[in-house]
Amino acid sequence: DAGVIQSPRHEVTEMGQEVTLRCKPISGHNSLFWYRQTMMRGLELLIYFNNNVPIDDSGMPEDRFSAKMPNASFSTLKIQPSEPRDSAVYFCASSLGERSLFFGSGTQLSVL
Amino acid sequence: GEDVEQSLFLSVREGDSSVINCTYTDSSSTYLYWYKQEPGAGLQLLTYIFSNMDMKQDQRLTVLLNKKDKHLSLRIADTQTGDSAIYFCAEHGSSNTGKLIFGQGTTLQVKP
Repeated sequence: DAGVIQSPRHEVTEMGQEVTLRCKPISGHNSLFWYRQTMMRGLELLIYFNNNVPIDDSGMPEDRFSAKMPNASFSTLKIQPSEPRDSAVYFCASSLGERSLFFGSGTQLSVL
Repeated sequence: GEDVEQSLFLSVREGDSSVINCTYTDSSSTYLYWYKQEPGAGLQLLTYIFSNMDMKQDQRLTVLLNKKDKHLSLRIADTQTGDSAIYFCAEHGSSNTGKLIFGQGTTLQVKP
């Protein structure tokens, strides 16, 4: 298996633009997680899905953030409009039940 | 609430043992985990321990769990420069949904 695949690897955009991050979880995994990592706040859970259904989005910072999982093999995290304080590394992870999480390589987002 | 605490930095000399400590507040997690993050990469599962175990050894890695004190530690024997990374401990907290709660991460610096 190729593992969790995230795209793009790097994203540089201007304030106010829409940003879409993509994730393909490991085949067969039924849970998907979006995390954000910054120096100041460490690793924060934004939202997670179980069987494609959002279970807990309490970590989503604002209404500018939205996430979807239209099927078991794809998820998106969208920021609209983006702001400089959204600059971070965004990780997607997947798991099967209450097992360990497997992480993607992350998307480094820079909002200028 | 659910919380996982780690010291932020540890520096050791090559060949010495490293001990990274972690405390957590919720004791209902079935497994507790150690993840490793190398520069520019995602988190990789390093090892885990079942909550009814006191110790687990895996080559140079030894995990100790003290459930009474809610204390988890990771010992790396014969630390190498390639072990330089950020180490995160994690546990599932009170939910059974697979969500992982991570500590802030401990940066391990190995000096030659």
